[in-house]
Order: sequence, then structure tokens, then C-alpha cells
Amino acid sequence: DQQVKQNSPSLSVQEGRISILNCDYTNSMFDYFLWYKKYPAEGPTFLISISSIKDKNEDGRFTVFLNKSAKHLSLHIVPSQPGDSAVYFCAASEEGAQKLVFGQGTRLTINP
Amino acid sequence: DAGVIQSPRHEVTEMGQEVTLRCKPISGHDYLFWYRQTMMRGLELLIYFNNNVPIDDSGMPEDRFSAKMPNASFSTLKIQPSEPRDSAVYFCASSFLRAYEQYFGPGTRLTVT
Repeated sequence: DQQVKQNSPSLSVQEGRISILNCDYTNSMFDYFLWYKKYPAEGPTFLISISSIKDKNEDGRFTVFLNKSAKHLSLHIVPSQPGDSAVYFCAASEEGAQKLVFGQGTRLTINP
Repeated sequence: DAGVIQSPRHEVTEMGQEVTLRCKPISGHDYLFWYRQTMMRGLELLIYFNNNVPIDDSGMPEDRFSAKMPNASFSTLKIQPSEPRDSAVYFCASSFLRAYEQYFGPGTRLTVT
């Protein structure tokens, strides 16, 4: 039972344009959401997060949007840069639970 | 700080052999997590420890898998006997006080032939 789903295995975007990565979840008890970024041969690194009391969180070129009614979140990268090429994992956590549930990941490729 | 350290980085073994993966968390972190990454299921949590005590091992696939944390600076994940379907990248991660911002090691790529 995949509680966190990233339905797009890959995404290709032109440099300078907007990249939008999507994530859906099924567990209504999730109250904290995160995005991690992973380069080849490295472990994932924390990128940005959002609490369920908010619907948007912004950090530089990265913005995460949360739609609780649709159980959907997205990561926007504007403008996209070649260094953004990586695998992006969506993750979620229940209140009080000290563990994260990850999605399958989306491979983002930024083309020059 | 050197970050989370994992060894070996690559492991190739034959079916039936015992495999031991090692992890050194970031000093001062009180949570340690073991994950397995596969194409189909992404990052799966296998087990996590808090202050060296196993808290949740519900993700451990079967009795062939075991994990220990004898002290705050060392953990092992053991597979005995190994099978080809165990081939994956295994990550160790640690965090301080809460699970949200976990710091991952570089992973161990395991291939069982």
C-alpha cells in the first residue's frame, strides 16, 4: 500500500522554465510534508518542507504547495537550472510519528 | 562533521551468503534510520532507532533481515541468507530530536547474484 505516490517517474524541462513535480498521498493523518533531492551516488538531502496548517512555503527558487482537500502537493522550481537535475522524493509524516513515508521519486532533467 | 558514513559503498555477494552493512551516524543525533531504495517502491523505511533502541521494525521484509545499534555511533544491518531480490541501495540516515530533517549517508549498493 503506497501511501505517498509520485506518478511521474521522469520529467524533462528546458533551462529557465518552471519545473513542477507532483505528489499525492492517501493518509489523511499526514500533517507534515517534505521534499528531498538526490544526486547519483549520493544520499537524499532535505530541500523544503510544509506543515499542514499552511498551503504554501517558499524558499528562493523553490515553492511547495499543499492542497489538503485533494491530498496533493507539488514542488515548483523557478527558474530551473542544470544543477537541479536530480531525483526528487516527496515524503510525509503523521503528527507525533518519528518516521517519514517516501514516494518512489521523480527524475528531473533540465535541458540547456 | 563528516556526515553519515556507510560502508561498504558497494557489495557484491552470492545468494546464500551473509551480508553486513555498517553505518556511523552524525555525532549527537539520537535517531537512526535504515532505508532500502528500489525502482518500484522508492525509499522504504526498514527500521529506526531512538537512543540506540529499536522503535519500529515493521518495514523489515522478513526474518532474514536484522539490525542492531550497540552504541550511539554505530549500527549494522545484516541479511542472512541473502537472496537476489535483496539487491538494492541501502541508506542509513540520522536526525536530531525529530525525524523530519534526516541526514542520509551515501548508501551501499548491494548486488546478490
